[in-house]
Amino acid sequence: NAGVMQNPRHLVRRRGQEARLRCSPMKGHSHVYWYRQLPEEGLKFMVYLQKENIIDESGMPKERFSAEFPKEGPSILRIQQVVRGDSAAYFCASSPQQGETQYFGPGTRLLVL
Amino acid sequence: DQQVKQNSPSLSVQEGRISILNCDYTNSMFDYFLWYKKYPAEGPTFLISISSIKDKNEDGRFTVFLNKSAKHLSLHIVPSQPGDSAVYFCAASGTEGSQGNLIFGKGTKLSVKP
Repeated sequence: NAGVMQNPRHLVRRRGQEARLRCSPMKGHSHVYWYRQLPEEGLKFMVYLQKENIIDESGMPKERFSAEFPKEGPSILRIQQVVRGDSAAYFCASSPQQGETQYFGPGTRLLVL
Repeated sequence: DQQVKQNSPSLSVQEGRISILNCDYTNSMFDYFLWYKKYPAEGPTFLISISSIKDKNEDGRFTVFLNKSAKHLSLHIVPSQPGDSAVYFCAASGTEGSQGNLIFGKGTKLSVKP
């Protein structure tokens, strides 16, 4: 009865490198959401995807960030040319249908040196 | 401009007593509210939710109250246990049918003393 899986749990990158964060939703869930949590802050919505479709990306920075959820495999959040301000915890959540409760993964903690 | 506010960053309660965590919101279009609990280095865990058509929802030791006119909700935990010590986040969404975008408060850190 696996929950939402995220890997890696911790990721260290130098400025200018790329970061790839992976999320496997719970079994039977086809809706995936990405959130970012900065220190001492609440979670901020980034993007909502369904298989092969981006439903809502209103919280995604316009540059360097992209997300996908292919037909096969995990959802990927990609950050190109990382900067120190990208250091945060990135959480993925999934739900079986739109409008149903979101269940969160353990997060990926990204540190940019 | 925060749409969901948790004005108490921390709360300390004695074991066995009631814990009351508060949350205020500004957007009258919100009509679905959730509470999540988060331990350090883990993801948020769903606790309980409430739709705006209700004013109370109860699940075991956890009860959420919603006051729409005051745009205020609260989470009551009774009796509190040391294992309840965690950060509690209040979250809101526009409609129960479109929960794509959850708006979170900054959290309240609850400490339950044995």
